[in-house]
Amino acid sequence: EVVLTQSPDLQSVTPKEKVTITCRASQSIGSSLHWYQQKPDQSPKLLIKYASLSISGVPSRFSGSGSGTDFTLTINSLEAEDAATYFCHQTSSFPLTFGGGTKVEIK
Amino acid sequence: QVQLQESGPGLVKPSQTLSLTCTVSAGSISSGSYYWSWVRQPAGKGLEWIGRIYTNGITNYNPSLKSRVTISGDTSKNQFSLHLSSVTAADTAVYYCARGGNSIGYYYMDVWGKGTTVTVSS
Repeated sequence: EVVLTQSPDLQSVTPKEKVTITCRASQSIGSSLHWYQQKPDQSPKLLIKYASLSISGVPSRFSGSGSGTDFTLTINSLEAEDAATYFCHQTSSFPLTFGGGTKVEIK
Repeated sequence: QVQLQESGPGLVKPSQTLSLTCTVSAGSISSGSYYWSWVRQPAGKGLEWIGRIYTNGITNYNPSLKSRVTISGDTSKNQFSLHLSSVTAADTAVYYCARGGNSIGYYYMDVWGKGTTVTVSS
């Protein structure tokens, strides 16, 4: 099973700051890594697919990078509405797995 | 736009079977372009993939739950279901159904239901 380790667990940020979240895989998964945003009492929303590919309707301040075992989600110029928990998710190998999540809160 | 809606009992007794249904609207579970998944999330915790069913009926289950899980589909009702047997308090969670892609470059889950809370308690 591919274990995804996210860091940090919590990030407290002021609006307009840049946020960087990392996701490390226990083995190489190529680019089969996707990012989701989950707000309280909502279901996960797809933000980035295949490590760096954008999703229609997602603001351009969200971007992803990485391949192999190390991945990054970047939020440029954080907005108040970005307060949420962010999860990485791999579809490279069975079973599908998720990272533990990174909570982004607004100072 | 395709929508998914979970339904089922919100309370299940320990040792019993948890049964949930996901109804798909504005889309067909018969489409070979997708698979249909269940994911759960205990309160305040992360996401756990439970399993999925493909259009041809093939299923994959998380090995951690495999001995207790069955996912089935009903194309006449455009629904798919989750059955989890011998539940304990550890199975208390929000359960989501989700659609995933079944083609190269499209294996992620892109449409999710709103989720339904299931509590295991006597």
